[in-house]
Amino acid sequence: DAGVTQSPTHLIKTRGQQVTLRCSPISGHKSVSWYQQVLGQGPQFIFQYYEKEERGRGNFPDRFSARQFPNYSSELNVNALLLGDSALYLCASSNIQGTSEKLFFGSGTQLSVL
Amino acid sequence: AQSVTQPDIHITVSEGASLELRCNYSYGATPYLFWYVQSPGQGLQLLLKYFSGDTLVQGIKGFEAEFKRSQSSFNLRKPSVHWSDAAEYFCAVAPNQGGKLIFGQGTELSVKP
Repeated sequence: DAGVTQSPTHLIKTRGQQVTLRCSPISGHKSVSWYQQVLGQGPQFIFQYYEKEERGRGNFPDRFSARQFPNYSSELNVNALLLGDSALYLCASSNIQGTSEKLFFGSGTQLSVL
Repeated sequence: AQSVTQPDIHITVSEGASLELRCNYSYGATPYLFWYVQSPGQGLQLLLKYFSGDTLVQGIKGFEAEFKRSQSSFNLRKPSVHWSDAAEYFCAVAPNQGGKLIFGQGTELSVKP
């Protein structure tokens, strides 16, 4: 079975632009979480979705938004990009609602904002 | 607020030597505790987790960790390091079984021949 897949793997944007990152969970997993990992730091929680509803939100500005589709895939959108948004964005899926117990992470999307 | 501290940013050990990576957490109750490993260009892989019960937890790849409530610590150990263990290691806590993970800043492990 395929693991958590994220696209694109790398992305370069300029300040002020908007970006959409995509995540496909493991087949059968209904929960998707997003994390931001700035270089040299640990990942920070952004969002959690389960059954297409937001179940948790981290301390990020409203420029960050996400959604989950009926097939449980997810998109993370970031508007009005800032240099500080440059990071590795990780998606994780789980087959259990709101659990941190069995999270499977994708390889991430590396976003560079110039 | 919950937080995780990994005091060592970078550690170098010789192949075959023992390893201990430190992790301290701040939380009012006993949290759920995790260790993850991240190789360059890869996502995070779960090494082990502690929820309750025996305070010595066995994980994959020969790793173990010990929960010490009195010291608010959850240190990761391996008796003999292999060159393939070189990676970034993250300690994480969750306030309950559900919800978000709170990660430490990570410890980069280098292994010398």
